[in-house]
Amino acid sequence: QSVLTQPPSASGTPGQRVTISCSGSSSNIGSNYVYWYQQLPGTAPKLLIYRNNQRPSGVPDRFSGSKSGTSASLAISGLRSEDEADYYCATWDDSLSGPVFGGGTKLTVL
Amino acid sequence: EVQLVESGGGLVKPGGSLRLSCAASGFTFSSYNMNWVRQAPGKGLEWVSSISSSSSYIYYADSMKGRFTISRDNAKNSLYLQMNSLRAEDTAVYYCARGDGYNPNGSFDYWGQGTLVTVSS
Repeated sequence: QSVLTQPPSASGTPGQRVTISCSGSSSNIGSNYVYWYQQLPGTAPKLLIYRNNQRPSGVPDRFSGSKSGTSASLAISGLRSEDEADYYCATWDDSLSGPVFGGGTKLTVL
Repeated sequence: EVQLVESGGGLVKPGGSLRLSCAASGFTFSSYNMNWVRQAPGKGLEWVSSISSSSSYIYYADSMKGRFTISRDNAKNSLYLQMNSLRAEDTAVYYCARGDGYNPNGSFDYWGQGTLVTVSS
């Protein structure tokens, strides 16, 4: 059981817009930055979004993040086949004194 | 270019020990917090441990406390994880990940390729 709650799966067709939610509490998302990671099959995770809505250099602007209260979401617009991956949200938890991850969302491009 | 290269994984019997290493290059190692994150086969990411840039702050996930010890050697640009009393459920790929800033904060901006630890008799 993960501290942060994500839907286990999401899907969309090429060109569509897909959103992935991440729900937490006041001790984690509610009081800290949210980060999103993309893990392509067989590879290490990669930072996709930092500090709620910032994109590292090289990440396409098709990817965007937002946060409101104790929830966050990742949006992917103009869906492409290469976006098929697992996506994880993460943040710091003040009560646990450590980072926490969501359970991950497997995105399928139909 | 930031590079993180883990080593030390392998097959170990339950109750055994293993020491993982992470060699860092391409950045000022002593200015960043460092972390270990693991992923069991077919499962999601699980945070293991974090250490601040100067080793002043160290954190462990509850299930690792008392069994795992994180450390770093800034002179050698290296991060370590000493794992004792290993259990079958510790079987996972262990990733070394750089954190953003001096103190752990939940961010992991660069990741290594991972090293597989298998605990089995």
